[in-house]
Amino acid sequence: AQSVTQPDIHITVSEGASLELRCNYSYGATPYLFWYVQSPGQGLQLLLKYFSGDTLVQGIKGFEAEFKRSQSSFNLRKPSVHWSDAAEYFCAVGGYGKLTFGQGTILTVHP
Amino acid sequence: DVKVTQSSRYLVKRTGEKVFLECVQDMDHENMFWYRQDPGLGLRLIYFSYDVKMKEKGDIPEGYSVSREKKERFSLILESASTNQTSMYLCASHLSSGGVYGYTFGSGTRLTVV
Repeated sequence: AQSVTQPDIHITVSEGASLELRCNYSYGATPYLFWYVQSPGQGLQLLLKYFSGDTLVQGIKGFEAEFKRSQSSFNLRKPSVHWSDAAEYFCAVGGYGKLTFGQGTILTVHP
Repeated sequence: DVKVTQSSRYLVKRTGEKVFLECVQDMDHENMFWYRQDPGLGLRLIYFSYDVKMKEKGDIPEGYSVSREKKERFSLILESASTNQTSMYLCASHLSSGGVYGYTFGSGTRLTVV
């Protein structure tokens, strides 16, 4: 069965600081991996995805993620956080069928 | 852009009521999904559908049913609402051959059962 673990429930960073959100997955084949962001009261927006090729993928809003097969990880990074990045972030694994989501990480940004 | 529309942003229903949550997408997607979102639990899949009149159980189907009579519309039904079904419900869709592009989500329906 596929599963996703986001070890950090809540992360607080200062504006301008770097960010890394952790994601570990379990999947029986080559995984398709996704990061979504959810602003308060909104649906989920796709930040980036990985399904093959270069293991470092670029997404919207200056985010990137690196797929590491040996560690079963797909961590999300941003070099300099903006106050508008405060939101909840979800990692997901799946393919042509259903996606399985992690528990989410809430990001708080201090001025 | 694909749009997934959920008919209600907020709903308050009484225990025992039959509740319908509606979801419509406008890009001819074959696959549609219903998730519920609870703090600390992330998103959990309730039901999904690969085609009209087809449905598959997800991870937590108990207490729910679905209906897909038309390709663009996927309804979630709570046969007899209970307080433990108070949650945020999210609908999503994608093309059958486009799963790698990720889902498109609606804005969600926050349901409170009293």
